Amino acid sequence: EIVLTQSPDFQSVTPKEKVTITCRASQSIGTSLHWYQQKADQSPKLLIKDASQSFSGVPSRFSGSGSGRDFTLTINSLEAEDAATYYCHQSSNYPFTFGPGTKVDIK
Amino acid sequence: QVQLVQSGAEVKRPGASVKVSCKASGYTFSNYVLYWVRQAPGQRLEWMGWIHGGNGETKYSQKLQGRVTITRDTSARTTYVELSSLRSEDTAMYYCSTAVAGTGGFEYWGQGTLVTVSS
Repeated sequence: EIVLTQSPDFQSVTPKEKVTITCRASQSIGTSLHWYQQKADQSPKLLIKDASQSFSGVPSRFSGSGSGRDFTLTINSLEAEDAATYYCHQSSNYPFTFGPGTKVDIK
Repeated sequence: QVQLVQSGAEVKRPGASVKVSCKASGYTFSNYVLYWVRQAPGQRLEWMGWIHGGNGETKYSQKLQGRVTITRDTSARTTYVELSSLRSEDTAMYYCSTAVAGTGGFEYWGQGTLVTVSS
């Protein structure tokens, strides 16, 4: 099973600040890595698919990069509505797995 | 627009079974896979399996193999996940999801169904 780890676990950020979240896979997964945003009591929402492709309707301040084992989600100029937990997810190998999440809080 | 609407919350005793439904609209049901994912309180998301809306092919998480069954009713555009021999660790929010753009990301999600296992 491919294990995904994320850092940091938690980040408290002021509006307009830049946020960087990393996700590392226990083995190479090419670009089969996706990012989701989950707000409290809501379903997850896809932000980035295949490491770097923005999903339809996602604000341009969200971007993704990486390949192989190391991936990054960047939120440029954080807005208050971005307070949420962010998860990475790999679809390279079965079982599909998710990271533990990074909680982003607004100061 | 793609919509996935799930059935309501369930409370079950340990050892019982539960069946959750997910009704799809806004896309060609028979062309795509539908996934099931669950999330225990305060935990990360866990992939359970998928079913192809057209040919009914399934793939399950080995962790749940033997206890999970995913089926579909194409005429009703509805997919079901059934989990048997429930235990307290199965208490979770259960989500269905699909992807219609041909990538690995789970693009659209249902609203979730809370399953509580308690004696």
